[in-house]
Amino acid sequence: DTGVSQNPRHKITKRGQNVTFRCDPISEHNRLYWYRQTLGQGPEFLTYFQNEAQLEKSRLLSDRFSAERPKGSFSTLEIQRTEQGDSAMYLCASSLPTDYEQYFGPGTRLTVT
Amino acid sequence: GENVGLHLPTLSVQEGDNSIINCAYSNSASDYFIWYKQESGKGPQFIIDIRSNMDKRQGQRVTVLLNKTVKHLSLQIAATQPGDSAVYFCAEGSYGQNFVFGPGTRLSVLP
Repeated sequence: DTGVSQNPRHKITKRGQNVTFRCDPISEHNRLYWYRQTLGQGPEFLTYFQNEAQLEKSRLLSDRFSAERPKGSFSTLEIQRTEQGDSAMYLCASSLPTDYEQYFGPGTRLTVT
Repeated sequence: GENVGLHLPTLSVQEGDNSIINCAYSNSASDYFIWYKQESGKGPQFIIDIRSNMDKRQGQRVTVLLNKTVKHLSLQIAATQPGDSAVYFCAEGSYGQNFVFGPGTRLSVLP
């Protein structure tokens, strides 16, 4: 598979629980991005990595959110103590460092009940 | 599958007609613009891009026009097909900065 993959595709959780999502970027891409998308809106930037270094975080990324990319390959996004407002599609994208174009994965749809 | 853009502006066109989707961007310092297509249940898919030193770029059946004076971007799709039905987003950015996406437009192709 040559595209960006994300798991799980869907996650339903109860308020207050922790969830973790995984993103596997395109293998030669060393930049990896996380976005959040709510219904009727475009994706909103959350954070990005170059290799294992997390270079930027949006103010949307509260202290309940943490992202890692320990070996510079796959990344995880964890949300602690989920709230109903966290319900959204979480998108991952990757790119080459010399390229503007970002390739998106299919997303993980989170529903917090 | 995922229902993207329930309350988005909608453009309805007849199959075979040309479509024009518009986008106003906000940052005059942005030097790179992309149009993405998003179908239900899928992530955004790259369509075409343009740099700020250009005002027009053509791809296969698609053309992007950039008007920096009024900060306006448009996507023209020629001979629209049913497979073009999706939500379309423009995104603006600069090298090393992160993209800001517009609100999106739903394109509905009528048979």
